Amino acid sequence: SQQGEEDPQALSIQEGENATMNCSYKTSINNLQWYRQNSGRGLVHLILIRSNEREKHSGRLRVTLDTSKKSSSLLITASRAADTASYFCATDGLGAQKLVFGQGTRLTINP
Amino acid sequence: EAQVTQNPRYLITVTGKKLTVTCSQNMNHEYMSWYRQDPGLGLRQIYYSMNVEVTDKGDVPEGYKVSRKEKRNFPLILESPSPNQTSLYFCASSLDLSATNEKLFFGSGTQLSVL
Repeated sequence: SQQGEEDPQALSIQEGENATMNCSYKTSINNLQWYRQNSGRGLVHLILIRSNEREKHSGRLRVTLDTSKKSSSLLITASRAADTASYFCATDGLGAQKLVFGQGTRLTINP
Repeated sequence: EAQVTQNPRYLITVTGKKLTVTCSQNMNHEYMSWYRQDPGLGLRQIYYSMNVEVTDKGDVPEGYKVSRKEKRNFPLILESPSPNQTSLYFCASSLDLSATNEKLFFGSGTQLSVL
């Protein structure tokens, strides 16, 4: 079964607005990662946040992690058309030695 | 440039005709993995390898084989493809043997259609 679930499944916003995507997971984790996938292409790593971290930034990306709620959020500020993609969270599933991906949020940035 | 190279990008075949999808990485990573991506099901792990000659099943290994004879290469073999193996396939590699403490590098994907 999947460890992480993204919400919403799809999000459509205007260019320049901020986009927030959420990820919830079921069991304790060591790390949580976010990836981006342009249509039909390979996933690209965005950010890794460790369980002892609460927030992390990378350029226009801000990731938060709330281990008490078993949830994470990805914020993209000042969105651009090029941010149109699917975004996936991935966690170490049940402490096992593998990364388990959610089904993703499909983000569309309208010009 | 650090990369994972998959070939071919697109492949159309018929049921029962053996095929191989190649994967190669130039980062000296020990961990490599294959995923398939299907609408509504997300990414599911097929097989993974933590070293040369060491491979292990993922969540959906049935109908697939892999080999790891060299560190850089990790081919995916479908001995007798069936239509339910029509999917988008990704190879990935990582510096971390558990693939959870470091990022995964993904190939560009192979879109396979089995008729």
